[in-house]
Amino acid sequence: DAMVIQNPRYQVTQFGKPVTLSCSQTLNHNVMYWYQQKSSQAPKLLFHYYDKDFNNEADTPDNFQSRRPNTSFCFLDIRSPGLGDAAMYLCATSSTTGGYGYTFGSGTRLTVV
Amino acid sequence: RKEVEQDPGPFNVPEGATVAFNCTYSNSASQSFFWYRQDCRKEPKLLMSVYSSGNEDGRFTAQLNRASQYISLLIRDSKLSDSATYLCVGGDADKLIFGTGTRLQVFP
Repeated sequence: DAMVIQNPRYQVTQFGKPVTLSCSQTLNHNVMYWYQQKSSQAPKLLFHYYDKDFNNEADTPDNFQSRRPNTSFCFLDIRSPGLGDAAMYLCATSSTTGGYGYTFGSGTRLTVV
Repeated sequence: RKEVEQDPGPFNVPEGATVAFNCTYSNSASQSFFWYRQDCRKEPKLLMSVYSSGNEDGRFTAQLNRASQYISLLIRDSKLSDSATYLCVGGDADKLIFGTGTRLQVFP
């Protein structure tokens, strides 16, 4: 089935140790998004790619970076994770720029120790 | 003021009840609206799109009032399996903003 796949489902990293989360999609959607969701909070958009064009939200910390080497894959790099970065990280895709809703991956739950 | 605001609940209702959720949005330029359902520790899943003309899908009815910048979701004949958090989502072509969600708990 076409879908959005995130790996790993659970990630434990040490304080300050770089970590990479991955997302792949078989939907051939041209837009990919990364959201951060903390407990009992709304998913918060970090950035998105419209094709190869990168769009960073103004309040996304510099600690968060992203790469999209091709249509199918997108990575979230956290350069120096802090305790406050512990959250669920959700990857989503859409075929237009959000006009028809998003398809989400199952998320990666990040724990920082 | 949050861009998308919802009553966080929880709404505790018996099986078979009708329950309504409301949501307001602040950006009058927003063009796209949705309701998503999120189960505990799972990803959000699209429940339905929301249109000014109203949108019905089985027991679920969504409505958009652009003049009041208000979105609603009505669930009829609640089932135990409807227990979840319902996220109101709105935005423009480049970005969708999520509300914090309204938690629904249906009890037997």
